[in-house]
Amino acid sequence: EDKVVQSPLSLVVHEGDTVTLNCSYEVTNFRSLLWYKQEKKAPTFLFMLTSSGIEKKSGRLSSILDKKELFSILNITATQTGDSAVYLCAVVGANAGKSTFGDGTTLTVKP
Amino acid sequence: NAGVTQTPKFQVLKTGQSMTLQCAQDMNHEYMSWYRQDPGMGLRLIHYSVGAGITDQGEVPNGYNVSRSTTEDFPLRLLSAAPSQTSVYFCASRDSGANVLTFGAGSRLTVL
Repeated sequence: EDKVVQSPLSLVVHEGDTVTLNCSYEVTNFRSLLWYKQEKKAPTFLFMLTSSGIEKKSGRLSSILDKKELFSILNITATQTGDSAVYLCAVVGANAGKSTFGDGTTLTVKP
Repeated sequence: NAGVTQTPKFQVLKTGQSMTLQCAQDMNHEYMSWYRQDPGMGLRLIHYSVGAGITDQGEVPNGYNVSRSTTEDFPLRLLSAAPSQTSVYFCASRDSGANVLTFGAGSRLTVL
């Protein structure tokens, strides 16, 4: 059975700090790993990673995948209060119809 | 573009009542799924479908039924509601050639 473990479960930082969120996974026939952001409503897509070592970047957010060690990290630099959210990691494996999610990391950015 | 539409947004039920959460998408996506999200937890898969007429169970299917008679619609039925089914429910869809899910706005269900 596919499994996703995120750490830490919660994190409190101050504006301007840099944070690193972790996602480790076990999946049969890996297809992709996805990061979503959830702000008290439906999750919205951030990144999809399929290849090791290739960084995806969008503004202050970036993510990278290590398929050998089975993990991904999401970095947020110069955090802002608007980054406060739950960040969810999900994997798609052999059963393409299923996306398996971790429990999420709740990030709180204080002014 | 409506995307994924879920109804109702809020519902209060008494233990033992039945109800259906509706989900419709207008993007011609083949894959649809239902998740529940409890406080402090991620999304747990209830049921999913890879096309009209095809459904399968996820991690937490007990107490729920689904059907997929059309590509657009994927209703979730609670047969006999229990307090343990108090949760926020999300419907999601995606194209078979892509892995990115599009979510509905969610339905908050309370079972007393």
